[in-house]
Amino acid sequence: NAGVTQTPKFQVLKTGQSMTLQCAQDMNHEYMSWYRQDPGMGLRLIHYSVGAGITDQGEVPNGYNVSRSTTEDFPLRLLSAAPSQTSVYFCASSNTGEAFFGQGTRLTVV
Amino acid sequence: EDKVVQSPLSLVVHEGDTVTLNCSYEVTNFRSLLWYKQEKKAPTFLFMLTSSGIEKKSGRLSSILDKKELFSILNITATQTGDSAVYLCAVNTNAGKSTFGDGTTLTVKP
Repeated sequence: NAGVTQTPKFQVLKTGQSMTLQCAQDMNHEYMSWYRQDPGMGLRLIHYSVGAGITDQGEVPNGYNVSRSTTEDFPLRLLSAAPSQTSVYFCASSNTGEAFFGQGTRLTVV
Repeated sequence: EDKVVQSPLSLVVHEGDTVTLNCSYEVTNFRSLLWYKQEKKAPTFLFMLTSSGIEKKSGRLSSILDKKELFSILNITATQTGDSAVYLCAVNTNAGKSTFGDGTTLTVKP
């Protein structure tokens, strides 16, 4: 019963570095999404996917790339990290109902 | 642009009080409205609403949707300190996109 597995849990990056946050789900869900959550705020949608090979931008896509080559995996790439990308990131998957979330990644860019 | 607005942003009550949290939305191709509870980690699912006027209940929590006026309320009766959390409202569209509000932070004092 793994559900949504998101790694790493914590990461510190230097400005300008790149990295990939991993997200995998084993529930055969069609939809997967990436969100960021800043202090005192809700979840803001970065990118989402409605199936393998299909991705679309959310509210705050700049500085991030995604791909969905399989149903199970939806990695999020930070191309050149900036301090403004310091946040908590959540991956989620769903079919047409409730979303199931990963445990979150606390990312700090210094 | 899809929009979800929650009110109030924060609320402090005493144990035993009843609270009502509000969520209004403007989205294209509405599919469902969901409520989540977040306690310092990933959100956990409470309710999914798709039809107007049908109340969903789980213990002391209940929720209802008005698709004509585009809002939902979440009621919590006889509040307990364990109800202290951020309550998030999210709207799903037929395009597979999920938009969250900024949340209501509920603090229940003994």
